[in-house]
Amino acid sequence: QKEVEQNSGPLSVPEGAIASLNCTYSDRGSQSFFWYRQYSGKSPELIMSIYSNGDKEDGRFTAQLNKASQYVSLLIRDSQPSDSATYLCAVSDSNYQLIWGAGTKLIIKP
Amino acid sequence: DAGVTQSPTHLIKTRGQQVTLRCSPKSGHDTVSWYQQALGQGPQFIFQYYEEEERQRGNFPDRFSGHQFPNYSSELNVNALLLGDSALYLCASSLAKRGRPYEQYFGPGTRLTVT
Repeated sequence: QKEVEQNSGPLSVPEGAIASLNCTYSDRGSQSFFWYRQYSGKSPELIMSIYSNGDKEDGRFTAQLNKASQYVSLLIRDSQPSDSATYLCAVSDSNYQLIWGAGTKLIIKP
Repeated sequence: DAGVTQSPTHLIKTRGQQVTLRCSPKSGHDTVSWYQQALGQGPQFIFQYYEEEERQRGNFPDRFSGHQFPNYSSELNVNALLLGDSALYLCASSLAKRGRPYEQYFGPGTRLTVT
């Protein structure tokens, strides 16, 4: 059974601090990794994709991938109250189907 | 640039009825995936359509069926509705690329309530 695991949270972070979200996956054949943000009652919004080991930065967001450890993370710098949401990790399997984690609820405290 | 659209936004049906949900992909996209999302859970993959054919299917019963039209829009049909089918139904569109799993962009979803 292919799985993607995330801590459900909530993760509480002070405004202006760095929020660190983590995700582990079971399928060693996975090649593509995605982070989505989902506000309550809304649909998921793609915020980062990463395909190679290492870091990928986009504005305040940094995705980190370690395929050997089967671990992907998302860092949010200078966290803002508007970053409060559920963050979903999605990982592609060998058939290019996305396997989803249950999400981590992030709360940014002013 | 039009994003992914879905209709209707909300729907209330009675157990045993049938429902059809509709999705138009983002301009330039050719692949549509459907997901079911229960409260507090991640999206669960139902199936994916490409070139008017079901390319992949998740662990959902045959009561769930779909279709893709020549203009890439898609429908999700659910027969013999059960109370457990109440969920947010999400459509995601993407552009098929050889050898590369694709970024998927979601529509606003259809909230289905079965009573």
